[in-house]
Amino acid sequence: QVQLQQSGPGLVKPSQTLSLTCAISGDSVSSNSASWNWIRQSPSRGLEWLGRTYYRSKWYNDYAVSVKSRITINPETPKNHFSLQLNSVTPEDTAVYYCASSLRYCTGGRCSEFFQHWGQGALVTVSS
Amino acid sequence: QSVLTQPPSASGTPGQRVTISCSGSNSYIGNNYLHWYQQLPGTAPKVLIYGNNQRPSGVPDRFSGSRSGTSASLAISGLRSEDEADYYCAAWDDSLSGWVFGGGTKLTVL
Repeated sequence: QVQLQQSGPGLVKPSQTLSLTCAISGDSVSSNSASWNWIRQSPSRGLEWLGRTYYRSKWYNDYAVSVKSRITINPETPKNHFSLQLNSVTPEDTAVYYCASSLRYCTGGRCSEFFQHWGQGALVTVSS
Repeated sequence: QSVLTQPPSASGTPGQRVTISCSGSNSYIGNNYLHWYQQLPGTAPKVLIYGNNQRPSGVPDRFSGSRSGTSASLAISGLRSEDEADYYCAAWDDSLSGWVFGGGTKLTVL
C-alpha cells in the first residue's frame, strides 16, 4: 500500500520560498507508471494542481501556468521522496498543500491517470 | 473561477438518488477521461470514479459516473449520511498541459 508523508514548515514569510517534501513508501519515485504531484486547496482558489514530476526513461516535469515561473518539483531518488519549492510567495499562496501520486492506466487503447494516493495535507500560511 | 463547472451545492434525503454535474469545453472533457473525487471534512480527497465511469476497488456500487459529450455526471443512489462531503471532478487539459478541477459540490444529506 502506497503511503505519502508530507513535511515542511507551516509558516513562510512573504517573498520567501515555500519548501515541502513528500516521502514515499510502498512505491518508487522512479516508477515508470506513476507521477508525483503537488496540489493545493484554498477557499478562494479551490483545488489547484501545481505540477508533477515523473520518470519515463528520463525525468520530466509539468507545471501549472499559474505558478510556472516560481515552482520547482524535484525527485530525490536516494531518499525516495519528491519536493516542492515555490518562490516569492505572497499571502495568496496560503493554502493546504497536498502531495499525490497519480497512477497511469490504459484501457481500450487509451491511457490516462488519476490521483490515487494523497498525503495528509499541510496548511502553509504566508504571513509576516 | 474553475474551468470545469459544478453546482456549488446539492442535497437529498437518505435513500434518495442524487446527481452532480460537471461541464467544460472540448479541450479537457471532450478529449480526455474525467475523474471524480470525494473529500470528507478534514481529509484529503479520495478517488471515487476514474475514467468517466470506473470504480476503484472498495468504492460502493451506489456511486456511478457517466459522460455525454462535454458533460459528465456523478450519481449517488441510496444516499447515506456518510455521503455528506465535497465532490470534485477533474480532467487533464490538453491546452494547459495540466490538470484542472471543478469548483466542487457540497452534498448535504438532509
